[in-house]
Amino acid sequence: AQTVTQSQPEMSVQEAETVTLSCTYDTSESDYYLFWYKQPPSRQMILVIRQEAYKQQNATENRFSVNFQKAAKSFSLKISDSQLGDAAMYFCAYNRDNDMRFGAGTRLTVKP
Amino acid sequence: DAGITQSPRHKVTETGTPVTLRCHQTENHRYMYWYRQDPGHGLRLIHYSYGVKDTDKGEVSDGYSVSRSKTEDFLLTLESATSSQTSVYFCAISEPNYEQYFGPGTRLTVT
Repeated sequence: AQTVTQSQPEMSVQEAETVTLSCTYDTSESDYYLFWYKQPPSRQMILVIRQEAYKQQNATENRFSVNFQKAAKSFSLKISDSQLGDAAMYFCAYNRDNDMRFGAGTRLTVKP
Repeated sequence: DAGITQSPRHKVTETGTPVTLRCHQTENHRYMYWYRQDPGHGLRLIHYSYGVKDTDKGEVSDGYSVSRSKTEDFLLTLESATSSQTSVYFCAISEPNYEQYFGPGTRLTVT
């Protein structure tokens, strides 16, 4: 079964600085999708960014970007110009054939 | 926001009682999912549906059943609740192989 590993249970960043959250996954497939979701204290799961495995170009959404290394099975999330509202749990997820697997999450704290 | 609601939002029940959670969507998405979220585990898939009356098991399906009689509704039933089923339950919807959109969650406590 596919597994997703987030090796950083907690991370902190100074406001306006940049932080990178790590994610690795295990799969024998070549075609799949990867996602980062954010879960603030409200508990709502919010999609941050999506990456198709067949695309070599790294996805970007405003201050959020990914570093997708397919051969290394690595999918890290970079948050630039961190804001207080970025404080949340962040989950990495792997999806193939509608079977979504999540990592255990990284709690991000943003210091003013 | 995707039109997904869950009911109830909070529930406390006793061990051995049946419990049904409801997920309702207004987006007409084909796929619907039930997850549970526990500390240290992220979200884990319980069951999912790929159409009316079409369902399949997920990673942690033991002790749960589901039904989908209409496109917009997906029910999760705990036939006889146990303390190990205390969790936060999320419903999600999607089109095939697209990102999933999540409901607000239901906090279930089994005493």
